[in-house]
Amino acid sequence: GQQVMQIPQYQHVQEGEDFTTYCNSSTTLSNIQWYKQRPGGHPVFLIQLVKSGEVKKQKRLTFQFGEAKKNSSLHITATQTTDVGTYFCAGPGTGNQFYFGTGTSLTVIP
Amino acid sequence: DGGITQSPKYLFRKEGQNVTLSCEQNLNHDAMYWYRQDPGQGLRLIYYSQIVNDFQKGDIAEGYSVSREKKESFPLTVTSAQKNPTAFYLCASSPAHGTASYEQYFGPGTRLTVT
Repeated sequence: GQQVMQIPQYQHVQEGEDFTTYCNSSTTLSNIQWYKQRPGGHPVFLIQLVKSGEVKKQKRLTFQFGEAKKNSSLHITATQTTDVGTYFCAGPGTGNQFYFGTGTSLTVIP
Repeated sequence: DGGITQSPKYLFRKEGQNVTLSCEQNLNHDAMYWYRQDPGQGLRLIYYSQIVNDFQKGDIAEGYSVSREKKESFPLTVTSAQKNPTAFYLCASSPAHGTASYEQYFGPGTRLTVT
């Protein structure tokens, strides 16, 4: 079945350092979504990428969709303590279902 | 105030009992989903529904059942057949129009503990 792998599983950074999480799919994706889940909270939608090679920015967050549409990355520049949480990518399957990656848990050390 | 509500936030049950988790949305979304989240793992799809009176199994449907009698409601029953039911359960909804993908809106979740 379809798989969406995410690395690393955990990442600890000093406040102000950069952070990147990578998402890889076993199949070509029509689009990919990114979500953030704060500790004790629920996932919240961040962005959707659709086009091959697409790059989108949200303030300090940069999202990329690979040329082959099988991988994606989320890069955070100069992390802050508010960035703490788990970041998930999700790719569509059949119907309206999505396959979520295993997530990358980010800890920011003040 | 639009959104998705799940109740209760915490639920405790004895092994062998069925338990039903509620999920209600007032976003007028067609599609609704149930996910299970375990520590260190991503979200795994249990069931999803694209329209009233219709639903499909996800990857881990065994031991669970759902109904979709109303557009705004998608309750999940965790049966005694589910071997390891202790987990964090998340309900979500999204618009569903053809094959387009839309963002999912998640409820606050229900943390179920079975002893």
